[in-house]
Amino acid sequence: EAQVTQNPRYLITVTGKKLTVTCSQNMNHEYMSWYRQDPGLGLRQIYYSMNVEVTDKGDVPEGYKVSRKEKRNFPLILESPSPNQTSLYFCASSLLPGGTYEQYFGPGTRLTVT
Amino acid sequence: AQSVTQPDIHITVSEGASLELRCNYSYGATPYLFWYVQSPGQGLQLLLKYFSGDTLVQGIKGFEAEFKRSQSSFNLRKPSVHWSDAAEYFCAVGPANTNAGKSTFGDGTTLTVKP
Repeated sequence: EAQVTQNPRYLITVTGKKLTVTCSQNMNHEYMSWYRQDPGLGLRQIYYSMNVEVTDKGDVPEGYKVSRKEKRNFPLILESPSPNQTSLYFCASSLLPGGTYEQYFGPGTRLTVT
Repeated sequence: AQSVTQPDIHITVSEGASLELRCNYSYGATPYLFWYVQSPGQGLQLLLKYFSGDTLVQGIKGFEAEFKRSQSSFNLRKPSVHWSDAAEYFCAVGPANTNAGKSTFGDGTTLTVKP
């Protein structure tokens, strides 16, 4: 089944404790992206990747890191999480770079930082 | 910079009534436009998309949307709403340049369906 998977689905952590949220797609998509969803703010793009080893900042990259060493994986790293990073996070992938194709979304990761 | 505005935060309609969700965008060229739906506790699913050509596009679940360049709008419509349509709806714009990777989403419209 074609899908985007994220792990973990739920995570409660403490301020400053490094964490990684994994994202994997099995559709051989070139493009991958991370978003955070907050009430009243819609989805805001954190980082995106046009292809392996090519990443770029979205609208809200502060406090996050990403890497794209393999085509299928695009982990989101929070080196020192803070409470304002409490949010619902979505990973997405798309067949081609840019916005010309629809994005396929993972189920989301709900992160709470205390 | 590109932007998307969904003026209605929350809409309530009766089951069987018609629906229109508004979306306005700001972009320098013809954008690629999308509507996504998010059911409670789920990820986002594509309803429909517009790239070029016919300005009235059909999507899944009986939804359609009309691109109006003069009004910078891409409103979503459905002639008869079902209770299962209750969800949050997002309009999104992607860059026309395939070398750019930024996507911009609206803040979303929550649809409640009354029995």
